[in-house]
Amino acid sequence: KQEVTQIPAALSVPEGENLVLNCSFTDSAIYNLQWFRQDPGKGLTSLLLIQSSQREQTSGRLNASLDKSSGRSTLYIAASQPGDSATYLCAVSGGSNYKLTFGKGTLLTVNP
Amino acid sequence: EAEVAQSPRYKITEKSQAVAFWCDPISGHATLYWYRQILGQGPELLVQFQDESVVDDSQLPKDRFSAERLKGVDSTLKIQPAELGDSAMYLCASSFTLNTEAFFGQGTRLTVV
Repeated sequence: KQEVTQIPAALSVPEGENLVLNCSFTDSAIYNLQWFRQDPGKGLTSLLLIQSSQREQTSGRLNASLDKSSGRSTLYIAASQPGDSATYLCAVSGGSNYKLTFGKGTLLTVNP
Repeated sequence: EAEVAQSPRYKITEKSQAVAFWCDPISGHATLYWYRQILGQGPELLVQFQDESVVDDSQLPKDRFSAERLKGVDSTLKIQPAELGDSAMYLCASSFTLNTEAFFGQGTRLTVV
């Protein structure tokens, strides 16, 4: 059974700092990995999708990397802003049905 | 911009009552997911459809939960009877097909009293 772990569970940083969120998964036989953002009481917003054949994806100030063999992904956020405060979730797609399995998320707070 | 639509946004129901949630995926998306998210946890898959067929419902409590996607477009998730432990956010997502980017709706917050 796939298990996804996100470290740290919570992170508080001052505005302007660069930061890294970590995601690890137990079964490396994945099809893709997706990073999401969730604001309190809201649904999930897709940030980046990395296919298993890719090493990284970039969107604006966000860069996600994938090391499938070691079961790890990182989300790098450059020059953090208070508007980046949210919970960040990673999910991996695997199995015969391409099931999406989520971690518990990292709660990020960016202080002005 | 195309979105996954869910209704209602909020629902309060009494224990033992029936409750239903509706989801309209992005047009043309063949894969539809229903997830349950307990506060502070990651979403957990309840049921996954490919067109009108169920491809994974292994975590769906079938004694009280049911889901359908009759024409392969919109979907309904039903709980009967509701229990206190069913209080959670119910999220619907869709993707063009099985291995493509998933997009989520705003969710339905269910409170069972």
